[in-house]
Amino acid sequence: GNSVTQMEGPVTLSEEAFLTINCTYTATGYPSLFWYVQYPGEGLQLLLKATKADDKGSNKGFEATYRKETTSFHLEKGSVQVSDSAVYFCALSPIQGAQKLVFGQGTRLTINP
Amino acid sequence: SAVISQKPSRDICQRGTSLTIQCQVDSQVTMMFWYRQQPGQSLTLIATANQGSEATYESGFVIDKFPISRPNLTFSTLTVSNMSPEDSSIYLCSVAAWDSYNEQFFGPGTRLTVL
Repeated sequence: GNSVTQMEGPVTLSEEAFLTINCTYTATGYPSLFWYVQYPGEGLQLLLKATKADDKGSNKGFEATYRKETTSFHLEKGSVQVSDSAVYFCALSPIQGAQKLVFGQGTRLTINP
Repeated sequence: SAVISQKPSRDICQRGTSLTIQCQVDSQVTMMFWYRQQPGQSLTLIATANQGSEATYESGFVIDKFPISRPNLTFSTLTVSNMSPEDSSIYLCSVAAWDSYNEQFFGPGTRLTVL
């Protein structure tokens, strides 16, 4: 079946540190991949996406590359800020146009000044 | 993007009662979705709601427990029936982006506590 596995949290970093949150997936076919972010007290927001192998999604300094050979979509940021503190969800949509999202368990990130 | 609102934002209910959650979108959308996020857990899709047809439920969720209405292209409701403490969760609605067939926008969620 389709599933997403994320790096266990919580993750605590200092401001300006380098961030990696690992995400691997299992799916049939060629899924689309997403990172969503949930800031405290708010709903989920799409952070970035990639729809085919080797695509790189990027937004707000975050990047993730769709790696078909390793079935991974790791989230990275070179220098985190306190305002990046949130819960991050990796997700996949199993088939182009299917619209069902399968989420990972979420990773809580806290950035200390 | 779409702006989505949900009512209520939170509620505390007694076991055995029912709660109806409303989801309003600022534009017409074809597909709306309802998710559950149990404490400390990820999101699980409950059902997909299309206007003019019965909702499609995911494995483990049934219409008697989670009846859904979709009276028009901007509104949907989810009812949590005969609640138990295990139903304590955040319930989120989402809509499909009009220009990206597999991208979704989410509402702020309804935090439900069942005593």
